[in-house]
Amino acid sequence: SQQGEEDPQALSIQEGENATMNCSYKTSINNLQWYRQNSGRGLVHLILIRSNEREKHSGRLRVTLDTSKKSSSLLITASRAADTASYFCATDVDGSGNTGKLIFGQGTTLQVKP
Amino acid sequence: DAGVIQSPRHEVTEMGQEVTLRCKPISGHNSLFWYRQTMMRGLELLIYFNNNVPIDDSGMPEDRFSAKMPNASFSTLKIQPSEPRDSAVYFCASSYFTGGQETQYFGPGTRLLVL
Repeated sequence: SQQGEEDPQALSIQEGENATMNCSYKTSINNLQWYRQNSGRGLVHLILIRSNEREKHSGRLRVTLDTSKKSSSLLITASRAADTASYFCATDVDGSGNTGKLIFGQGTTLQVKP
Repeated sequence: DAGVIQSPRHEVTEMGQEVTLRCKPISGHNSLFWYRQTMMRGLELLIYFNNNVPIDDSGMPEDRFSAKMPNASFSTLKIQPSEPRDSAVYFCASSYFTGGQETQYFGPGTRLLVL
């Protein structure tokens, strides 16, 4: 079963609006990461949040982590057409961080209309 | 740095043929991952290596799949014989493993179509 599951599966918004996507996971984690995948490309790392952090910012990205609910959210503010992509959360397998192995969710497909 | 390099970028082959996918990780990285992505199953981890040693191949679907990493700068994923259900995009990724919080760097992928 998937360690990380994103919600919604697809999201369509207008340029300038904010986009929020959520990720839930099942087991304890050491950290949670978000990746972006443009169509036909490989995944690109966006941001990492540690299990002892609750919120992290990077430019127009804001990530929150609630370990009690085993969930994370990615907020993209003031979206642009170039943000159109699929977004994946990824967690280390068992919270030990001892393997470097990540489990990816199914992803949220974001479309930003100009 | 050139990033993770994969070849070929596209491969079309007939059922039963052998397929070899190649990956050159980022120089200095000590972990390498092979993934398969399809619409139905999403992104699946097939196998990963630390310091050229296979650590976990539980994601390899069948004995038809094999992977090697003869040195720190090269890895192959082989499918023999190939089947239409192997059609997918195969990604290679690398990271510098230090015990946690590593990010993975993905190659552009190989789009495989088995007819």
